Amino acid sequence: NAGVTQTPKFQVLKTGQSMTLQCAQDMNHEYMSWYRQDPGMGLRLIHYSVGAGITDQGEVPNGYNVSRSTTEDFPLRLLSAAPSQTSVYFCASSYYRQSSGNTIYFGEGSWLTVV
Amino acid sequence: AQSVTQLGSHVSVSEGALVLLRCNYSSSVPPYLFWYVQYPNQGLQLLLKYTSAATLVKGINGFEAEFKKSETSFHLTKPSAHMSDAAEYFCAVRGNQGGKLIFGQGTELSVKP
Repeated sequence: NAGVTQTPKFQVLKTGQSMTLQCAQDMNHEYMSWYRQDPGMGLRLIHYSVGAGITDQGEVPNGYNVSRSTTEDFPLRLLSAAPSQTSVYFCASSYYRQSSGNTIYFGEGSWLTVV
Repeated sequence: AQSVTQLGSHVSVSEGALVLLRCNYSSSVPPYLFWYVQYPNQGLQLLLKYTSAATLVKGINGFEAEFKKSETSFHLTKPSAHMSDAAEYFCAVRGNQGGKLIFGQGTELSVKP
C-alpha cells in the first residue's frame, strides 16, 4: 500500500535550472495537489487538480507548472529555479466527488534547495 | 473563500499539562475542518477531522477538537501532554464543494519534562 509517493526526497539545483518533482498515488483519487512549506507560513497551495486533464492555480503558482495526464500522476515542474523556491514540497491526494470530508493524504515531502 | 488562523506560532506546556492549540476559520460555505500533525522531517499525518456529523471530534493519540460555529473555532485539546506530542500542528479548512484544502500557519508544540 504505497499511498502518495514523491521523488526525489532531496534535490539541490542551481539558479536557472529546471526540474520536475514527481508525485504518484495508487488510491484512484481524483483530487491531487502540491503545497510548499516555509517556516512561519504553513503550507501554501501551488496547484491542484480535480481529475485527469483538469488543473487550477492555488495561492502561489508563479514559477511552477503542472499537468495531469493520468489519474495516478501529478508532476510539478520548476521552469527556471530561483532561490525563493527553496522549500519543502508536499504532494497530496484525496477522493473528490463523493465528499469534501474525505481525508487528504500527504507524501513524505521533497526538500529542494536552489543555490 | 476559506481561510484559517492559528493563534500562537509556538506553545510550550509541561508534561502532564493540558494542551490547547487554537484555530479559527473563515468560510463562506459550511466547512470541513482538519487537524494535522507533522513530526520533524516527516510528512503530515491526520489527527482528526470535522465533517458535520458531530461537533466534538475525537482523534488519534488522545486529541480532540470541538467545532463551534458561533465562534468560528476548531480548537485542538489534549488533557495531558506527553513528550511524544512535541511536533508542529496544522489546522486546515475545506469548503463543502471539495477542492482546495487551506492551511493555517502552524503551531509548534514543545513539551517540557
